[in-house]
Amino acid sequence: SQELEQSPQSLIVQEGKNLTINCTSSKTLYGLYWYKQKYGEGLIFLMMLQKGGEEKSHEKITAKLDEKKQQSSLHITASQPSHAGIYLCGAVNYGGSQGNLIFGKGTKLSVKP
Amino acid sequence: EAGVVQSPRYKIIEKKQPVAFWCNPISGHNTLYWYLQNLGQGPELLIRYENEEAVDDSQLPKDRFSAERLKGVDSTLKIQPAELGDSAVYLCASSLDGSYNEQFFGPGTRLTVL
Repeated sequence: SQELEQSPQSLIVQEGKNLTINCTSSKTLYGLYWYKQKYGEGLIFLMMLQKGGEEKSHEKITAKLDEKKQQSSLHITASQPSHAGIYLCGAVNYGGSQGNLIFGKGTKLSVKP
Repeated sequence: EAGVVQSPRYKIIEKKQPVAFWCNPISGHNTLYWYLQNLGQGPELLIRYENEEAVDDSQLPKDRFSAERLKGVDSTLKIQPAELGDSAVYLCASSLDGSYNEQFFGPGTRLTVL
């Protein structure tokens, strides 16, 4: 079965600093989703990547899917307290039914003002 | 446009009691998902519906968990009887269909079993 490993597990950065979160898959990725979750709330969709080499940006957040399609990175530029939360990567699970997502354990981001 | 609605937001029950969670997906979304999220973990799929049909319930513990999606809209997830290990957040999500579409998540129901 497919597994997603996220690193780091947690991250504390000073406001204004850049940071990167990685998501590595045990199998080829056919669809990679990035979500953000705040405590006590549901997941908020950030971006979806499908093609090797694809890169998408939304405000100060950029996500990339590497050419071999087994790793994705999420980069935040000039972090702000509003970026704090748990970032989860999810992938289409081809070990199971098409359309189902499996998730990594998440990366907890704290931004110090 | 309203997002995915879940109720209740919080539920505290004693073990062996039954409990039910309700989800109203985004209008027009044919696919509905129930996920279980334990503390410090990512969501894990319990069941997926395409309209009113459960197309993947392989991860649903059928001895105590049941779900239904009457008329292909609202859905209910039930646990009977609840066990201590069922304490978790139960998330509902919906998407237009079951392919490469964004899944929209509700706020979840936090269940505590005492």
